[in-house]
Amino acid sequence: ILNVEQSPQSLHVQEGDSTNFTCSFPSSNFYALHWYRWETAKSPEALFVMTLNGDEKKKGRISATLNTKEGYSYLYIKGSQPEDSATYLCAHSTGNQFYFGTGTSLTVIP
Amino acid sequence: EAGVAQSPRYKIIEKRQSVAFWCNPISGHATLYWYQQILGQGPKLLIQFQNNGVVDDSQLPKDRFSAERLKGVDSTLKIQPAKLEDSAVYLCASSLGGGIYGYTFGSGTRLTVV
Repeated sequence: ILNVEQSPQSLHVQEGDSTNFTCSFPSSNFYALHWYRWETAKSPEALFVMTLNGDEKKKGRISATLNTKEGYSYLYIKGSQPEDSATYLCAHSTGNQFYFGTGTSLTVIP
Repeated sequence: EAGVAQSPRYKIIEKRQSVAFWCNPISGHATLYWYQQILGQGPKLLIQFQNNGVVDDSQLPKDRFSAERLKGVDSTLKIQPAKLEDSAVYLCASSLGGGIYGYTFGSGTRLTVV
């Protein structure tokens, strides 16, 4: 079993603040890195999938970067809004297996 | 396209009782997964099906958990008998093949064992 670690475990920010989280994963046997947003009582929703070292993806105010050589990905949220409150999960894929981190729980305070 | 359907959404049972969860994946998705997510932990893979065959069930507590995927479509996950530590969200997901494709998740079943 591979260790995927996310930090911080939880985060409270004020509305309008920008924030970022980290996902660390073993750099060997890398295939893809996925980010999901999981709101309470809903299905986890796919945000990004990244495969190449140096990849950057953006979706509205949310963006992500990938460093496969050192084994980390950052997720950034610019100008956080209350609707961004959720758990953000990353998953490392080796091809046919996914290994999830424990998630970062974000609470945006109005 | 329709999403991954799961039922029930919530279930409360007493320890030592039995419970079953149902999942209907996205049409055409050959791979189906059951995950257990205990509060404060990341999702843990219980079992992975490719069509109706089991690919990985190494973390499934086989003394009490069982799963099947009839005809390579719907799947059921059963717990018999349930323990307090089985309280968790049980997520079903399906995929074209994992890897770069990613998963589509159902909304999960929140199980509380009292």
